[in-house]
Order: sequence, then C-alpha cells, then structure tokens
Amino acid sequence: EAGVAQSPRYKIIEKRQSVAFWCNPISGHATLYWYQQILGQGPKLLIQFQNNGVVDDSQLPKDRFSAERLKGVDSTLKIQPAKLEDSAVYLCASSLGGTGVFNEQFFGPGTRLTVL
Amino acid sequence: GDSVTQMEGPVTLSEEACLTINCTYTATGYPSLFWYVQYPGEGLQLLLKATKADDKGSNKGFEATYRKETTSFHLEKGSVQVSDSAVYFCALSDLRGAQKLVFGQGTRLTINP
Repeated sequence: EAGVAQSPRYKIIEKRQSVAFWCNPISGHATLYWYQQILGQGPKLLIQFQNNGVVDDSQLPKDRFSAERLKGVDSTLKIQPAKLEDSAVYLCASSLGGTGVFNEQFFGPGTRLTVL
Repeated sequence: GDSVTQMEGPVTLSEEACLTINCTYTATGYPSLFWYVQYPGEGLQLLLKATKADDKGSNKGFEATYRKETTSFHLEKGSVQVSDSAVYFCALSDLRGAQKLVFGQGTRLTINP
C-alpha cells in the first residue's frame, strides 16, 4: 500500500515570496492533516480536513496561509507571503477518519522549507 | 489547552543500556496517549499507544503505561540497540473529537555500539 506522498521534499525561497506544498493521502483516507514542525519542536496542527471540509483551522495563520482539499483527495498548502519564521518542515498526515475509535495517522516524509 | 512535556534531550546511551524517556501531559477529558518515532531520513511512525488509564502499550521491545494519577506516559526499553537511534515524540489525542495530535518537543536518542 502506498504511503502519504508529499512534494517537493525541499524548498528554499526568499522572504515575501510565495510557496505551495502538495500532499496525496493514502487512498480511502477521509481525514487529512497539515502539521508544522519547527526545528527542535514537535509538530503543531495547522489544519484538518474531513473529506473536503475543514474541521479545525484554529492555528492556521490565515493572513498568509491557505489550504484546500479539492474533491476530498489531494491537498495543497500555500504560504503567501513567506516570513523567516515560516522555516520549518511541513508534514501531511492522513487517517481513515471517524470519531470514538482510534484512527492511526500516517505521515508523509515532509517538505523542508527554508526562508532566507 | 492540552499540552505534552518531554524530558530534555538529547540522550546518548551505550548499546544494551536501559532507557527511560519521561513524558507528562495536561489535558481536559480523557485523552489517548501515543509515542511516535522518527528514524533518520524517514517520516513519523506510530510506535505504541494507550487509550485509557492503566493501559500498557508495547511494540519492538518498548513499553509505556498510561498513569492517570501522575499524568504520565514514560517510554521504557530494557536493552537498547543501535537501530533505536531516532527522535521520539510523546503525543495525546481526544478520540471523541477530531483526533488531532498534540505533540511534545521530541527527544533525540543516540545509541553507541
């Protein structure tokens, strides 16, 4: 079974530029998560989708970050304009979804963003 | 809000040594607790979990017991191997809700032969 795919794996941009990340979840997984992992810290949830609807985006900096999940499958996360503090690894995860029972989240390899 | 605190790292041990990585949490409700591992060059993987108080999660020789009275979920292994070198993350999630994971800051473990 194919895992969660992310691209690109690495990206270097200047501050104030725009960048986009792509995620393809495991087939059949209804729930998709984007996490931000700053060096030396644990991952922090940015946004969670259930199919193509947003479940939680309370920690997404909406003035510069946006995300969408068209047709409830692939997802893109965009930063416009980027700031130095956005340098981090952006992780995508997916799970079968649902509440009340444990649904394991499977993580992609991440995209490492460096903002200069 | 919910939070997880892990012991300060990095941790360096010799092969076959005993390992304990401390983890404590603060949460409302009844969270489930997890340990994730990130091997060099790989993505995060679930190592073990416990969904209620007094449950013991185990996998690959690692164990952790959900202690509600001390709000702890310490990771232990009796004899570590070089292949255990990785970054370990303690995390919690509320299975009744959206199941987002709240992670600790991670502990880098290096095992020397």
